[in-house]
Amino acid sequence: QKEVEQNSGPLSVPEGAIASLNCTYSDRGSQSFFWYRQYSGKSPELIMSIYSNGDKEDGRFTAQLNKASQYVSLLIRDSQPSDSATYLCAVGLYSSASKIIFGSGTRLSIRP
Amino acid sequence: DGGITQSPKYLFRKEGQNVTLSCEQNLNHDAMYWYRQDPGQGLRLIYYSQIVNDFQKGDIAEGYSVSREKKESFPLTVTSAQKNPTAFYLCASSNPGGQNYEQYFGPGTRLTVT
Repeated sequence: QKEVEQNSGPLSVPEGAIASLNCTYSDRGSQSFFWYRQYSGKSPELIMSIYSNGDKEDGRFTAQLNKASQYVSLLIRDSQPSDSATYLCAVGLYSSASKIIFGSGTRLSIRP
Repeated sequence: DGGITQSPKYLFRKEGQNVTLSCEQNLNHDAMYWYRQDPGQGLRLIYYSQIVNDFQKGDIAEGYSVSREKKESFPLTVTSAQKNPTAFYLCASSNPGGQNYEQYFGPGTRLTVT
């Protein structure tokens, strides 16, 4: 069974600080990795995708991928109260490129 | 506006009744997916379809059925055989090609069965 593991949280971070969210995955052949943000009662929204080892930056968000360690992370700089949400890590399967497996999510709370 | 629509937003049914959830997309995406989310849980794949008139079971297909007669539509039927149908149902679509497997979600349908 292919798995994606995340710390469920809640992760509490002061406003203006850096929030660091982590994810590990079991499918060593995976090539595509995603971070979704989900507000309470709403559907997931794609915020970052990463396909190569290293860092990918988009505004206040940075995704980091280390395939050798099977580890992907999301950094949120200058955290805002509007960043309070559940963040879902998702990984594309090597065996079926159109399928992705979701972690159960990390709940992030930004405190003023 | 391009996007994915799901209807209705909230749905209430009595136990033993079949119910069909609608999902329509105008993104011209080839692939469509149905997921189920339970409180505090991640998303679990019910069914997916990569092309019209073809679909595959996901991890939790028992008690569900789908059809893909048109590229833009992928309805999900929750049958009376599904033991715990109360959940948040999410439809997604993607255009797999090269490395791009990004999935985009509709707003979801919250189903309550009593």
